[in-house]
Amino acid sequence: GQNIDQPTEMTATEGAIVQINCTYQTSGFNGLFWYQQHAGEAPTFLSYNVLDGLEEKGRFSSFLSRSKGYSYLLLKELQMKDSASYLCALANQAGTALIFGKGTTLSVSS
Amino acid sequence: SQTIHQWPATLVQPVGSPLSLECTVEGTSNPNLYWYRQAAGRGLQLLFYSVGIGQISSEVPQNLSASRPQDRQFILSSKKLLLSDSGFYLCAWSVRGTGNEKLFFGSGTQLSVL
Repeated sequence: GQNIDQPTEMTATEGAIVQINCTYQTSGFNGLFWYQQHAGEAPTFLSYNVLDGLEEKGRFSSFLSRSKGYSYLLLKELQMKDSASYLCALANQAGTALIFGKGTTLSVSS
Repeated sequence: SQTIHQWPATLVQPVGSPLSLECTVEGTSNPNLYWYRQAAGRGLQLLFYSVGIGQISSEVPQNLSASRPQDRQFILSSKKLLLSDSGFYLCAWSVRGTGNEKLFFGSGTQLSVL
């Protein structure tokens, strides 16, 4: 099976940097995803890591360490619109679906 | 470009009534299709996925069923709704066979069972 852990809530201020951690246990690794979800809306894709290291995409970066079962999402230059839930997800063992963590709700204040 | 349509956006149903949620994808062929549910405090839970017409995999035992009568149509059903079926239902698709199951979600249906 698979297990994914993320902090439930985080707070930060505009312009700051925040790191959202995700730890996981899985018997077969097929990639790790991060999604953003605003309240009442569908999740949208942010990043995908399958190899160890850092993937940078504008203000957002995602890091993966397969040996440690650990990933983080780094958000720089925070804006109010970044207030949302951030979902860590693993591909299932068959590589046919994503299993999501419960998500981290980020609140950005001015 | 690919689009995914899911309806209705909101639904209020009494306990014991039937349910039918429909999802269609345009602009792609042979997609993988998914139904997820998001209930308060429980995160996004995979309910069903399909890799082809008539092929349905169920991830959790439940009061719901899914069908895929056409390549780009995915239907979520129940014969008798329970209070615990309330939640935000999301349909999604991905490109088949990539090994990178990036999901594209529909806009969701907020179901309240009363």
